[in-house]
Amino acid sequence: DVKVTQSSRYLVKRTGEKVFLECVQDMDHENMFWYRQDPGLGLRLIYFSYDVKMKEKGDIPEGYSVSREKKERFSLILESASTNQTSMYLCASSFRQSNQPQHFGDGTRLSIL
Amino acid sequence: AQKITQTQPGMFVQEKEAVTLDCTYDTSDPSYGLFWYKQPSSGEMIFLIYQGSYDQQNATEGRYSLNFQKARKSANLVISASQLGDSAMYFCAMREKWVTGGGNKLTFGTGTQLKVEL
Repeated sequence: DVKVTQSSRYLVKRTGEKVFLECVQDMDHENMFWYRQDPGLGLRLIYFSYDVKMKEKGDIPEGYSVSREKKERFSLILESASTNQTSMYLCASSFRQSNQPQHFGDGTRLSIL
Repeated sequence: AQKITQTQPGMFVQEKEAVTLDCTYDTSDPSYGLFWYKQPSSGEMIFLIYQGSYDQQNATEGRYSLNFQKARKSANLVISASQLGDSAMYFCAMREKWVTGGGNKLTFGTGTQLKVEL
């Protein structure tokens, strides 16, 4: 079975902190994605990566950065956390082929106080 | 402009009945794909079914089938013989053409919350 593991299920941080969310996949997937999920808005893509050290902005990249130093690991960084970044964060991975589904982690519920 | 529209924020269905969850999309790309995901209250996203724009037949996976009407740009999910465990949020997503590196960037709808009742 495909396993996408997010480092924390729940996380509480303070405004202005630098926050790291980690995601690891074990299926040798080329593509990895970070989304945030908010009620009534569905999932919105923050950043994605199609190869090691490669990254592309999604629909809402402001206030976020990412790092992909190894194929299996994709990190999301909140440079200076703000209360409007309180949300559910979902990581996903997939093979490159266009008909392949994305496989998701269990999500990290992040609260910024 | 919204590319994926799910107009039903909430739906109720009785156990053992069939239910249709609506999804319409907007794209000018002749090559695209549509995915449906289920998200139970526990939070994980579970892939259900995929339909490619060039697929000749409607996709089916067990109790899930996709009513794909290309001219109407709709890809409705049909769940037959509903079970209590089907209660969840359901998301429709469209794969866009992604030139950089190939791949399958998805745009998600806002979801439909399905509640199965006894």
